[in-house]
Order: sequence, then structure tokens, then C-alpha cells
Amino acid sequence: AQSVTQPDIHITVSEGASLELRCNYSYGATPYLFWYVQSPGQGLQLLLKYFSGDTLVQGIKGFEAEFKRSQSSFNLRKPSVHWSDAAEYFCAFTSNDYKLSFGAGTTVTVRA
Amino acid sequence: EAGVAQSPRYKIIEKRQSVAFWCNPISGHATLYWYQQILGQGPKLLIQFQNNGVVDDSQLPKDRFSAERLKGVDSTLKIQPAKLEDSAVYLCASSLDGDTQYFGPGTRLTVL
Repeated sequence: AQSVTQPDIHITVSEGASLELRCNYSYGATPYLFWYVQSPGQGLQLLLKYFSGDTLVQGIKGFEAEFKRSQSSFNLRKPSVHWSDAAEYFCAFTSNDYKLSFGAGTTVTVRA
Repeated sequence: EAGVAQSPRYKIIEKRQSVAFWCNPISGHATLYWYQQILGQGPKLLIQFQNNGVVDDSQLPKDRFSAERLKGVDSTLKIQPAKLEDSAVYLCASSLDGDTQYFGPGTRLTVL
């Protein structure tokens, strides 16, 4: 079955420290992969996406993600976290039917 | 470019009452989606429209939920009658070419 898993429910990181959020997918072919961010009371904002090509993808707000086929992963990273990065982050994938399947999300708390 | 608009932002109703949510997609986006996001979970697709036709409504509880997209632009999602378990955020998304979805701010429904 096609699915996406985010192993970490909650991560706490200090402001200025690096952040890495994990995402693993299960799919027979190469999926289209996305990271979305949801701030409290807001909708989902697209951070970045991977369809093909360069496996290191740059997104908005200083985020990047790396597609690793051998590990079925698409982890999100940011070198230096700001307090405004506190939010919930969702990994999602779709196959060629363009129906998004989301992970359960990872909540990021930023401490001063 | 204006984003996806949704209204109302918040709604509180008693169980067995009816409720309707409205969505206006990004101009020119042919595909429109409704998602249900229960607290602590990722969004789950309820229904997908292509112009004013339904592409997929396999996850829509049709005994109480209905949706329409007249003239291929705005869409309305209705719940009648509402149950306690329908408390969730209802997200609308639209897509130009099917591969990237853009989300509205959502409607938070509380059923008492």
C-alpha cells in the first residue's frame, strides 16, 4: 500500500540550531514528494516539492530536502531555526493520480 | 495572485444540525479538493473535482456529506446532519495542473 510516515511526532529545537524532520514513503515507483508547513490556525503552505532531477531540493524560508531512493526518504532540513519556524510540518506524496497522501505531521517547538 | 479563499473560518453547531462551507479556488485552477483534518492527524481527501465534475469521492461519507462545484469555480461542502466526530478543520485546495496543490486557510468546525 502507498503511504508516508513521519516517525517523529514532536521535536524541540533551540533557536539558531539545525533542524531535520524525517519522512519515509512506501511506493513502488518514484513518487512526487512535498513538504507543507501549517502554522496555528492557518492552512498548509507549500515549502518545497520533488518530482525528478536533482535530489537536493531548495524551498522557501531557508528549507531544503533530500530525496534518497535507497532509503525511501525525503527528509527536511534547515541549518538555523528561527522562532517563527514553530509549526506543524507535513510530508506528503502523490503518484501519477495526483491524490495527496499526508503523513501524521511533526510538531516543531522552538525554544529561546 | 489571490490565494484560495474559504469561509467561514470558524463554525460551532449542535449535533444533528446542518452546516455548509464555501471555497473559492485560485483563478484558473481547474482542479479543486476538499480535505478533512482531524486534530493530530494529516489531512484526508474527501472529494476531488475537475472543473465541475467529480473525479474521486470515494472517501466522502455520502450519507451525510455532499459537495458541488457549480460552473467549475466556487465549491460548497455540506454536512447534514452533523455528528460529533465531524469536528475537524475542513481544507480546500486547488491545482492548475494537478501536480501541486495550494491550500486555503481552512474552516474549523466544532460539533457540540
